[in-house]
Amino acid sequence: ETGVTQTPRHLVMGMTNKKSLKCEQHLGHNAMYWYKQSAKKPLELMFVYSLEERVENNSVPSRFSPECPNSSHLFLHLHTLQPEDSALYLCASSQDRPSGANVLTFGAGSRLTVL
Amino acid sequence: AQSVTQPDIHITVSEGASLELRCNYSYGATPYLFWYVQSPGQGLQLLLKYFSGDTLVQGIKGFEAEFKRSQSSFNLRKPSVHWSDAAEYFCAVAPRDSNYQLIWGAGTKLIIKP
Repeated sequence: ETGVTQTPRHLVMGMTNKKSLKCEQHLGHNAMYWYKQSAKKPLELMFVYSLEERVENNSVPSRFSPECPNSSHLFLHLHTLQPEDSALYLCASSQDRPSGANVLTFGAGSRLTVL
Repeated sequence: AQSVTQPDIHITVSEGASLELRCNYSYGATPYLFWYVQSPGQGLQLLLKYFSGDTLVQGIKGFEAEFKRSQSSFNLRKPSVHWSDAAEYFCAVAPRDSNYQLIWGAGTKLIIKP
């Protein structure tokens, strides 16, 4: 596998479920990101990890819980979500530690539907 | 507040015709500037970036963009589009003196007419 891989690609969950999204990067990059992409809206940065340490939490509700066990893996744990959380969740990585000059490599995303 | 505007939500272009996608930003100093493309069912891929130097930058897939400081614009162009260019295009900027916060436009969806 190459690049950034996200699983599952599609997820449907009820508001009381607990599920997780997984992201794996095979690029040897040092930073990983979670973005939320909703229709007709700009991408929203949710979390940033640099060398497994969280460096940003953009006022994301606590029903989203990130985990970065090592520099290659990133999870987004989901619990008691709301229908407005339905969106495409994109994982990205960058070679360097987070900065404005970073070029991001994105995964294909996990399409989440909350019923 | 800093913002990025992509004024066209959709653009329809005939195959073989030229293309220009507009991007304007509001920020005092020259930021880092990016264009990303998202093909259906895929993640975003970097097309090109501007950090400094020549204001006309070349990217992948035959795209180029021109930074115009006086207009706070970074428009994306391609002389002749192909059906495979149908995708959504995102402009993004990042302040130079700040962190990693990219400010994204809402995207322009490119439709190619045969």
